[in-house]
Order: sequence, then structure tokens, then C-alpha cells
Amino acid sequence: NAGVTQTPKFRILKIGQSMTLQCTQDMNHNYMYWYRQDPGMGLKLIYYSVGAGITDKGEVPNGYNVSRSTTEDFPLRLELAAPSQTSVYFCASSYLGSTGDGYTFGSGTRLTVV
Amino acid sequence: LAKTTQPISMDSYEGQEVNITCSHNNIATNDYITWYQQFPSQGPRFIIQGYKTKVTNEVASLFIPADRKSSTLSLPRVSLSDTAVYYCLVGDIGPPQTGANNLFFGTGTRLTVIP
Repeated sequence: NAGVTQTPKFRILKIGQSMTLQCTQDMNHNYMYWYRQDPGMGLKLIYYSVGAGITDKGEVPNGYNVSRSTTEDFPLRLELAAPSQTSVYFCASSYLGSTGDGYTFGSGTRLTVV
Repeated sequence: LAKTTQPISMDSYEGQEVNITCSHNNIATNDYITWYQQFPSQGPRFIIQGYKTKVTNEVASLFIPADRKSSTLSLPRVSLSDTAVYYCLVGDIGPPQTGANNLFFGTGTRLTVIP
């Protein structure tokens, strides 16, 4: 199993540009999450999904959008990129919320907005 | 909601046992305690989870007192490769919900193992 796959691994955006961070999992997990991690800081939840067609805001959703059309995919859309969105973005999935084997994380996307 | 508090950082020499404590005074009856490990430039990795008393796996032990208001992650005989950030999460079984504790990682404890 590949687990959680994120693409791209690195990206540089100019202010005002938009992009989509891709996330795919092959574990048939219902729950998926997007976190961002600023340098030296903990993870902050952006959005999460409890199943296809269902998404909800996390702690820092402003400037982002998500969709969940399939169980496997949970893309994160950045519209009008700003320097404050420079961060490492992690996608995660889980089978039983936070219990059981917990979250499985992808390897991250390092985004720089200049 | 059960907020967690951990030390910001800890140092330890190679070969020593390391204990990292997490306080969660408002833990709810249905909440579990989960610990994650994060290496630089990687996503967090599940280490161990427990509800009460003691849980042990091949990586670590988790000690939870009877009142469950705190928990201690114990790493036996640490090596340089154990240098990482360790996060404590508290949350219940079931689907995530906005504002739920089990969705928030906090800043964790940065463990540095010294040769």
C-alpha cells in the first residue's frame, strides 16, 4: 500500500496565483484531513472530511477550499496565494477518527509564496 | 474540551530512558490518549494509544494514572534517531467533529538526544 500520497512535494507560487495540492489515500479510510505547519510550530487543522461529499472547517480555513468527490481523494485549493500561506502542508487520513491506529500522514508539500 | 499541556523541549543523553508527560485535566470519560512522533521534514507518525493504566508496544510505553488527568510517554534507552517532536492528543472514538480535541496537535515536545 502507498498510504497517503501528496503532490507536489515542493512549489513556489507568486502572490495572487492559485494552485491545488493533491492528496490520495489507498487505505479506504473515510476520514481525511489537511493540516499546515509553519516553521517551528505545531500543526493547525485547515479542513477535514468524514466521507465523500462531506467537508468541514478546521482551525484555519480562510484562504482555502476543499472538495471530496471520492473516498480516495481530498484536494486542497489555494485561491489568491498570500505570503502568509507559506508553510508545509500535510494531508492525513484515518479509519476510526483519532483512535485505533490514529492518523496516517503524507510526506507533505512545502509551499513558498513570494 | 480536554486541552493538553506538554513541556516545550527536553534533552536526554543516549541510552537513557525518557519520560514525557502530558497534562489533560479536563479529559472526558470517552477520551483516549494518543501520542505521535514527528521527524524534521516528515509528517507525524502514530506511536501509541491508551485509555487507562499501561500500554506497551515495540516502540514505547504509555502510563495513565487512575484519574487520567495526565499521561506519560516513556521511551526506553533513547538513541540519536529518537530526536523528534512528540505530540499528545486527547479525543474520543467516532467521527471527527469541528472543535474536537482529537483534531488538534498543539506544539508538542521537542526531544533532543545528545551523544
